[in-house]
Amino acid sequence: AQSVAQPEDQVNVAEGNPLTVKCTYSVSGNPYLFWYVQYPNRGLQFLLKYITGDNLVKGSYGFEAEFNKSQTSFHLKKPSALVSDSALYFCAVRDTPGSSNTGKLIFGQGTTLQVKP
Amino acid sequence: DGGITQSPKYLFRKEGQNVTLSCEQNLNHDAMYWYRQDPGQGLRLIYYSQIVNDFQKGDIAEGYSVSREKKESFPLTVTSAQKNPTAFYLCASIGLAGSVNEQFFGPGTRLTVL
Repeated sequence: AQSVAQPEDQVNVAEGNPLTVKCTYSVSGNPYLFWYVQYPNRGLQFLLKYITGDNLVKGSYGFEAEFNKSQTSFHLKKPSALVSDSALYFCAVRDTPGSSNTGKLIFGQGTTLQVKP
Repeated sequence: DGGITQSPKYLFRKEGQNVTLSCEQNLNHDAMYWYRQDPGQGLRLIYYSQIVNDFQKGDIAEGYSVSREKKESFPLTVTSAQKNPTAFYLCASIGLAGSVNEQFFGPGTRLTVL
């Protein structure tokens, strides 16, 4: 069964410092991986995705993520954190097209990012 | 503007009542999804529909029902059989279930049982 783990409930960083939000996954076949951000009482906003190709994926708002197949990880990163980055971040994996093609996403439990001035 | 709308934003239900959450999209997407969000548990899939007039149960379908009579609409009914319905409910859609595109999410409905 496919699964996603976000090992940290909360990540605290100072504004201007680099940030990393961790994600590991378990899938059969090639993974399709996504990062979403959620602000309080709002829906999820798409940040970036890995489908194939370059292991370093660049996304919205200066975020990037590195796909590491050997470590089955897809960590979210940003070189310089902003206070406005404070939010709840979700990593997700999709069932691979060619299997059941349902488009379903399996989410990690989420990581709260707190950026302090 | 294209997007997904959910209504109402806040909903209060008494014990034993059924309530229906609305989800509408004007993105011309074929596939739609309902997720439930509880603190510390991420999002869990309730139901999904890959095409009009067809839908499948997700991981936590008990106590919920859906319909997909129109491409644009995918309402979710929370029945009295759902013992712990207080949660944040999110609707999402994607152009084709088999595509590599990301899902778009609506703004959510917060349901509280009184």
